[in-house]
Amino acid sequence: KNEVEQSPQNLTAQEGEFITINCSYSVGISALHWLQQHPGGGIVSLFMLSSGKKKHGRLIATINIQEKHSSLHITASHPRDSAVYICAVRSSRLTFGEGTQLTVNP
Amino acid sequence: ETGVTQSPTHLIKTRGQQVTLRCSSQSGHNTVSWYQQALGQGPQFIFQYYREEENGRGNFPPRFSGLQFPNYSSELNVNALELDDSALYLCASSSDSRYGYTFGSGTRLTVV
Repeated sequence: KNEVEQSPQNLTAQEGEFITINCSYSVGISALHWLQQHPGGGIVSLFMLSSGKKKHGRLIATINIQEKHSSLHITASHPRDSAVYICAVRSSRLTFGEGTQLTVNP
Repeated sequence: ETGVTQSPTHLIKTRGQQVTLRCSSQSGHNTVSWYQQALGQGPQFIFQYYREEENGRGNFPPRFSGLQFPNYSSELNVNALELDDSALYLCASSSDSRYGYTFGSGTRLTVV
């Protein structure tokens, strides 16, 4: 079993839909990162969380330390949100989930 | 403030050859970590350098080696390349566990 599990693996949505991507982890962490990766490979850091909730524009990230679970929400999704979203947990190193491929259709 | 720069962006090598990938860390960052990302998978940790010393290593063979320089830039060296080494190699820099990572755009290595 992977230390970081994401669901779903693939997600297709219509423009405007509310999207949720989930991440569960099994190790002790100091922080959890949500990352966005576009075709071509470059990774952009969206959030770093150690507790509670953060919001940036249409993106919201939450974390429940006791349940070892985090969610990334996208409100009013748009085709430009199409990308791979990766959850990564930080202990002595970063451990990544497999990623969620999101496709938002117009 | 510059970000993380990786070079080259793309590279094609023949099986058995050696390759050196480079990463310049973000200004003020003293830690660099390297990751291998195979197609369709999440990145896998290779190793991490802090102030020129390796301070963490993933499950990669010794033919994967690295260096960090006094300016905190870094190199990843892979000897005796194998076909399965074909992947995107990502570098990330950070300064403190309280802060996040800055990622480079990666080097796409193809071994033929």
